[in-house]
Amino acid sequence: GAVVSQHPSWVICKSGTSVKIECRSLDFQATTMFWYRQFPKQSLMLMATSNEGSKATYEQGVEKDKFLINHASLTLSTLTVTSAHPEDSSFYICSAYGGGGLSGNTIYFGEGSWLTVV
Amino acid sequence: GENVEQHPSTLSVQEGDSAVIKCTYSDSASNYFPWYKQELGKGPQLIIDIRSNVGEKKDQRIAVTLNKTAKHFSLHITETQPEDSAVYFCAASTTGTASKLTFGTGTRLQVTL
Repeated sequence: GAVVSQHPSWVICKSGTSVKIECRSLDFQATTMFWYRQFPKQSLMLMATSNEGSKATYEQGVEKDKFLINHASLTLSTLTVTSAHPEDSSFYICSAYGGGGLSGNTIYFGEGSWLTVV
Repeated sequence: GENVEQHPSTLSVQEGDSAVIKCTYSDSASNYFPWYKQELGKGPQLIIDIRSNVGEKKDQRIAVTLNKTAKHFSLHITETQPEDSAVYFCAASTTGTASKLTFGTGTRLQVTL
């Protein structure tokens, strides 16, 4: 099946700094990518939908100035957590949709990135 | 918007038994229903999906059924094995437009020896 790669798998940063997480579709072109966060023992919460070449659409309650999303190419989307605070510590997961081809109209997920803010 | 409910939240079965997880959805326009398995500390992995033009789909020990009229779909795992232990999420969306997935709340499946 299609492969979506996230990097880094885990990151520790100091409070007040920014951290960038990358999401790549390795074998298909992702017209749309989604970013989720997941707290322990909870379901995935959609943060934003990212379409290549356009601004991301954020879900209600998600601060767009804090969670910057860039989808500059059909294989790469990035999530930057700006001025991170301990409450931003979470598991961040991306998914990618290719609209057909190898991805077969299916949404595939990355392996997730653990963010710990100290 | 879409709302997906999932039951049970936890499920414990003995190895070799079957496990069934059920989901209901609210939006009649939803036509794509994937199931994901998530192991601790990892991203969700697609295990099976079904589209609204079929009522059942099977892949080895895993099957999914869909009842569009009642707006519910179920995951069936037969001959469960310890490695099936994980959290399972159902989801619903519309295809063709890359609409966002709406997830259920998850079911923690524990397969005991």
